[in-house]
Amino acid sequence: GAVVSQHPSWVICKSGTSVKIECRSLDFQATTMFWYRQFPKQSLMLMATSNEGSKATYEQGVEKDKFLINHASLTLSTLTVTSAHPEDSSFYICSASFWTAKNTEAFFGQGTRLTVV
Amino acid sequence: EDQVTQSPEALRLQEGESSSLNCSYTVSGLRGLFWYRQDPGKGPEFLFTLYSAGEEKEKERLKATLTKKESFLHITAPKPEDSATYLCAVQPNTGGFKTIFGAGTRLFVKA
Repeated sequence: GAVVSQHPSWVICKSGTSVKIECRSLDFQATTMFWYRQFPKQSLMLMATSNEGSKATYEQGVEKDKFLINHASLTLSTLTVTSAHPEDSSFYICSASFWTAKNTEAFFGQGTRLTVV
Repeated sequence: EDQVTQSPEALRLQEGESSSLNCSYTVSGLRGLFWYRQDPGKGPEFLFTLYSAGEEKEKERLKATLTKKESFLHITAPKPEDSATYLCAVQPNTGGFKTIFGAGTRLFVKA
């Protein structure tokens, strides 16, 4: 399967600072990238969908000014958590998809564990 | 509203004890149903995509089946290394790649 690399795998930051998480598709060009948030023992909650070169589409309840998403190329999307607070501590996961005639699979990164202290 | 419900929440098996995980879904139109495996602290790992009712796919000890309302992930003679959370997800055919996930089934296989 296709490879999606997410970096960093974990980060600890101080309250009030910003953190950037990168998501790269290593061996394919991703038409669309997604950002999810996952709380302990819960499933993935979609935060936003991003297409290369256009603004991200955020899910209801997700603050677009707090979670900045940039999808500058077909292989890279970034999520920046601005002015982080302890309640932003979570596991963030990206996925990338590409369109073929039938293939609609999404490939996931390894996830980033964010801890805000 | 598109929705995915997985059961049971947790399942404890002895090594070699076969069982099934259930995924019930409601969606306006189904483009695809996915099964993923997720280990603690890791991103989901793709297992299967099913597109239409009656379809079945197999991989080692796992077999996924699909009806118009639900999907089953059958685990035959599980081993301790099969312990993980198994996630089911559906992709509506309403455009784009938006995928809706269930809460998952946590599987524990004891040696």
